[in-house]
Amino acid sequence: DGGITQSPKYLFRKEGQNVTLSCEQNLNHDAMYWYRQDPGQGLRLIYYSQIVNDFQKGDIAEGYSVSREKKESFPLTVTSAQKNPTAFYLCASSPTRGTGELFFGEGSRLTVL
Amino acid sequence: DQQVKQNSPSLSVQEGRISILNCDYTNSMFDYFLWYKKYPAEGPTFLISISSIKDKNEDGRFTVFLNKSAKHLSLHIVPSQPGDSAVYFCAARDYGGSQGNLIFGKGTKLSVKP
Repeated sequence: DGGITQSPKYLFRKEGQNVTLSCEQNLNHDAMYWYRQDPGQGLRLIYYSQIVNDFQKGDIAEGYSVSREKKESFPLTVTSAQKNPTAFYLCASSPTRGTGELFFGEGSRLTVL
Repeated sequence: DQQVKQNSPSLSVQEGRISILNCDYTNSMFDYFLWYKKYPAEGPTFLISISSIKDKNEDGRFTVFLNKSAKHLSLHIVPSQPGDSAVYFCAARDYGGSQGNLIFGKGTKLSVKP
């Protein structure tokens, strides 16, 4: 089945620790995205990548880092510099051409203890 | 400065009646508008979209209306079912911006009462 796989689904982290969230897609999509969802805030863009080895900051990139070494993979690292990392993180992908529809993974819930 | 606004955080509707979710936008360069449905602790799923050159798109119980002069779109669900209870996000694509990047509203939580 084609889709987007995020792991882990739940993650706990102590303050001061970095953590990496995995996102893999087998849809052969060029573009991949990371969003953060907080209650009442909707979906806010953290980083996006339109091609391999290239990525751009979104609206709330501070305290996060990404890499895009393979087309299928777009991991997100939440660093200790992110002041309020507890949130629900969503990875998405989209084809280069189309209506702009994003295909989302199931999400990863990060809780900082 | 929100480019896509969903002014109603929540909406409650009786089963079988119509649900109308509204969305306003400010950027006239948006070329596609999409609605997503999201259950708690899950990723959003695509529901329906409309091109900026159309004023209506229908898919089963779901219809999206676009009023470009008012920069307003709405999603109609008829008849509403309890399984429709979820958060609905309106999203818009700015073709002049990052290709494929959508700008989302904050969502409206729909509750359909049996």
